[in-house]
Amino acid sequence: DADVTQTPRNRITKTGKRIMLECSQTKGHDRMYWYRQDPGLGLRLIYYSFDVKDINKGEISDGYSVSRQAQAKFSLSLESAIPNQTALYFCATSDLRGREGDTQYFGPGTRLTVL
Amino acid sequence: AQSVTQLGSHVSVSEGALVLLRCNYSSSVPPYLFWYVQYPNQGLQLLLKYTTGATLVKGINGFEAEFKKSETSFHLTKPSAHMSDAAEYFCAVSYAGGTSYGKLTFGQGTILTVHP
Repeated sequence: DADVTQTPRNRITKTGKRIMLECSQTKGHDRMYWYRQDPGLGLRLIYYSFDVKDINKGEISDGYSVSRQAQAKFSLSLESAIPNQTALYFCATSDLRGREGDTQYFGPGTRLTVL
Repeated sequence: AQSVTQLGSHVSVSEGALVLLRCNYSSSVPPYLFWYVQYPNQGLQLLLKYTTGATLVKGINGFEAEFKKSETSFHLTKPSAHMSDAAEYFCAVSYAGGTSYGKLTFGQGTILTVHP
């Protein structure tokens, strides 16, 4: 079973709709991240959470919100989707306390299309 | 602020040829450096990373990278390309301390194509 899972894997929605992307992990990591990937731009950080009570904005947080429901779950919401939010979204986790240092482990991604 | 530049958005090699993917970074403090690979329709997988110690780092699938502080580079190489190496490769950097510890900054990505 995958350590980091994302649901849904694909989603097509319309402008103005509210969308939630979910991420779950079984690695026991405290830190979780949301990125978006656009061709030619690499991955850009949207939000990150160092533990359940800690949420931080990344470089492109406008238009997005997050919720850390538990150590293992981190959701990304688009309150009112717009076409330029069409992208591939990745969740990642890391554990700075152990031997793994700050390696991030990625989920399979969610492809979101906003029409 | 930290940043990463990958030279060449597309690299094409023949099977069996040397693979060289270039990465330069900027960081005001000692960096952690990473190479990730993304196969089609998949998430990112760690190839290798440099934290401290030996500057030549060996990773999975025969890849290696050398940290050169004087050149602020972390180029990825593989002596002989295989068809299965076709993918997109991302270089990333994070700080080794401070409030940004653990946050990755990615380069733009390099798509590697391998020809028979």
